[in-house]
Amino acid sequence: EPEVTQTPSHQVTQMGQEVILRCVPISNHLYFYWYRQILGQKVEFLVSFYNNEISEKSEIFDDQFSVERPDGSNFTLKIRSTKLEDSAMYFCALGEGGISNQPQHFGDGTRLSIL
Amino acid sequence: GESVGLHLPTLSVQEGDNSIINCAYSNSASDYFIWYKQESGKGPQFIIDIRSNMDKRQGQRVTVLLNKTVKHLSLQIAATQPGDSAVYFCAEVDSSGYALNFGKGTSLLVTP
Repeated sequence: EPEVTQTPSHQVTQMGQEVILRCVPISNHLYFYWYRQILGQKVEFLVSFYNNEISEKSEIFDDQFSVERPDGSNFTLKIRSTKLEDSAMYFCALGEGGISNQPQHFGDGTRLSIL
Repeated sequence: GESVGLHLPTLSVQEGDNSIINCAYSNSASDYFIWYKQESGKGPQFIIDIRSNMDKRQGQRVTVLLNKTVKHLSLQIAATQPGDSAVYFCAEVDSSGYALNFGKGTSLLVTP
């Protein structure tokens, strides 16, 4: 069973709307990550989050995206003004330690469909 | 930029046979590699990892081999079972130390 639950499992949104994807860890973790996978393509890194701040982000993670842990538990990814090309599976991943020391554990993802 | 890629997009094996999935990487500075299995509708599932100071690591029915000379990584699955059917990704830690850089994936199909 995954160590993280992601909600919703599927989100359908009109282009231009905002979406919030949620990640709920089952146990305590220090490191949080978001990845996305466009249909038929490889998994791509978006952002890493540690100690309540972004530690690294990719070129994909522009001003349209933001992350936070509003209540110290849930970890959210907000996408503003969604575009058709934002349609993808979005995976949350968790880690106990630095990435070079611990593998990341992935949730089952949220399928985001932009119409 | 640096990249991780897979030689074979699909691999079909008979149940009970051994499977070998290959991966090439281009960043000679990479020091940590992970193999993930992804079943349909699921997120990537950790299988096995290896650090660059090792050339072989074994798990339950799986073995990862690392050849730093040619920057090649392989995943061997012994006595392949139908439940092993999935897409397999190799991933390396990128130069930032925070992100995983995934390969494109190999689809493994196990036939009875």
